[in-house]
Amino acid sequence: DGGITQSPKYLFRKEGQNVTLSCEQNLNHDAMYWYRQDPGQGLRLIYYSQIVNDFQKGDIAEGYSVSREKKESFPLTVTSAQKNPTAFYLCAIATGTHGYTFGSGTRLTVV
Amino acid sequence: GESVGLHLPTLSVQEGDNSIINCAYSNSASDYFIWYKQESGKGPQFIIDIRSNMDKRQGQRVTVLLNKTVKHLSLQIAATQPGDSAVYFCAENGNNNDMRFGAGTRLTVKP
Repeated sequence: DGGITQSPKYLFRKEGQNVTLSCEQNLNHDAMYWYRQDPGQGLRLIYYSQIVNDFQKGDIAEGYSVSREKKESFPLTVTSAQKNPTAFYLCAIATGTHGYTFGSGTRLTVV
Repeated sequence: GESVGLHLPTLSVQEGDNSIINCAYSNSASDYFIWYKQESGKGPQFIIDIRSNMDKRQGQRVTVLLNKTVKHLSLQIAATQPGDSAVYFCAENGNNNDMRFGAGTRLTVKP
């Protein structure tokens, strides 16, 4: 995935539980993004960060939180406030030349 | 709001034929467009991009056409192969230095 790693690949969440999805990159890029993908739909922006210690809400930020303490890491927490968290989550970095490079995704399922 | 959309959700072609996937965009201020390919369970992969100062760009077996007058983007795949079966997304640059994605077209290649 060109130096961007998401983990875990599959994640199961119980009702009322917070879970954190990991996104790590070793390409030294500033801008990182989190997208949510539902079946048969496009990607919707959750949060993005253009620099360390700064991040902005995207279109569907409610029920999610992020941090950007290090350039390499942009973890996404799906909180209990997110009532419909089952989806495929994609992390991306802005390459500056060819748009985004995406991670391999995390599939989150509520059990 | 501004959006990127696709004319057809599915496309089925015979192996060896040419494929054309279409995309309509509504933000006339967008100046950068990308086509991505997403295989099942994976993150989207960059195929080809085009800037608004161009009408056409060719890659290996792929061509992107941009018609700014009618805000239409298309992806042409020559001599379609079974490995081309995937979901194809068009994306445009958004207002927050992010990319806005369409819903995607599922391309199925019949042997």
